[in-house]
Amino acid sequence: EAAVTQSPRSKVAVTGGKVTLSCHQTNNHDYMYWYRQDTGHGLRLIHYSYVADSTEKGDIPDGYKASRPSQENFSLILELASLSQTAVYFCASSDEQGYEQYFGPGTRLTVL
Amino acid sequence: QQQVRQSPQSLTVWEGETAILNCSYEDSTFNYFPWYQQFPGEGPALLISIRSVSDKKEDGRFTIFFNKREKKLSLHITDSQPGDSATYFCAASRGGNYKPTFGKGTSLVVHP
Repeated sequence: EAAVTQSPRSKVAVTGGKVTLSCHQTNNHDYMYWYRQDTGHGLRLIHYSYVADSTEKGDIPDGYKASRPSQENFSLILELASLSQTAVYFCASSDEQGYEQYFGPGTRLTVL
Repeated sequence: QQQVRQSPQSLTVWEGETAILNCSYEDSTFNYFPWYQQFPGEGPALLISIRSVSDKKEDGRFTIFFNKREKKLSLHITDSQPGDSATYFCAASRGGNYKPTFGKGTSLVVHP
């Protein structure tokens, strides 16, 4: 029944490896977002998208790519994972105004 | 530039007391202010929100007080319960911007 789901829920990756985080929403929302959460920094926006096949840079896009193959799916890609990318990543969707965001349960990524 | 500030960073109250969480912002064009509640291991969830045309919004034990002139708002949790222990994020957005700005959060602990 959850409207925003993420996979995997946790992942351990090696430095320099490629990591793909996936997000799926059933809210029929056009807007989707990727955030990372670190202690003391709150939620920081990495990438977002308002339509399939198009993505936009957020506030901290360096080291990340995003892909939106359909309205329902939004992926975050780390081509060369680094230690500094260890964090919890949240996907969210929102209506066309972007007022209210609906978050997924998060993916805990550990880069060793 | 931190556009949305929250204080205190952490707050501890006893069961039954009123917890007061503060938020301030800099951009006068923000017109919508949601508060999100996040429990450990979960994604943030919308708790209550207010539009800038209002100065107060109530939902059960949760009340937002909004001062547009001073660019400040606060979340009051009356009769606090241990189940209210969570991190609370204040956010700010404007219609059509699609990218809300989040504060760094206040960690609330309610002791029984």
